[in-house]
Amino acid sequence: SQTIHQWPATLVQPVGSPLSLECTVEGTSNPNLYWYRQAAGRGLQLLFYSVGIGQISSEVPQNLSASRPQDRQFILSSKKLLLSDSGFYLCAWSVKGALGAFFGQGTRLTVV
Amino acid sequence: GDSVTQMEGPVTLSEEAFLTINCTYTATGYPSLFWYVQYPGEGLQLLLKATKADDKGSNKGFEATYRKETTSFHLEKGSVQVSDSAVYFCALSDRGAQKLVFGQGTRLTINP
Repeated sequence: SQTIHQWPATLVQPVGSPLSLECTVEGTSNPNLYWYRQAAGRGLQLLFYSVGIGQISSEVPQNLSASRPQDRQFILSSKKLLLSDSGFYLCAWSVKGALGAFFGQGTRLTVV
Repeated sequence: GDSVTQMEGPVTLSEEAFLTINCTYTATGYPSLFWYVQYPGEGLQLLLKATKADDKGSNKGFEATYRKETTSFHLEKGSVQVSDSAVYFCALSDRGAQKLVFGQGTRLTINP
């Protein structure tokens, strides 16, 4: 069966520090991969999605970036965090041609 | 672009009450529609889906019908339980890009 792993579960980082959140999917190949952010009291905002290795589409301009170095690995990064980057980050995957997506457990990021 | 609008929360009901959470969408094509549920501190879980007009998705006593004429996908449950307390997200998926676009979420609290 397919599983998605996202870590860490919680993270507290100072303003200006770098960020690296990792997400891996097991049990499937060539998935679509997504990073979403859920700010406090708000809905889900799609940040990046990828249809293949090295292929990244950015939905919202910001100081975050994403990379897909391997087929089932999706990384969210920042060189310098801002206070406004605080939120709940969710990784998700979907099967190409199928509908809907499966979500990881999320990472709660607090920038202080 | 595509968008989803949900009724604003929070919604507070007593156990065994009837639930309706409204959802309307705007899309250029013929999207698939979803309801996701997020329990406290967790990622999102797919609750139900519908892929074409007049389809009814159902799961765990929840139902939603794809209404193309009113561009709606309202979530209903006849008798809610305390365990239904969560945040509910309506979403659509564009068949081409396979991106999930979410509404802002509705927080539901059920009191015993």
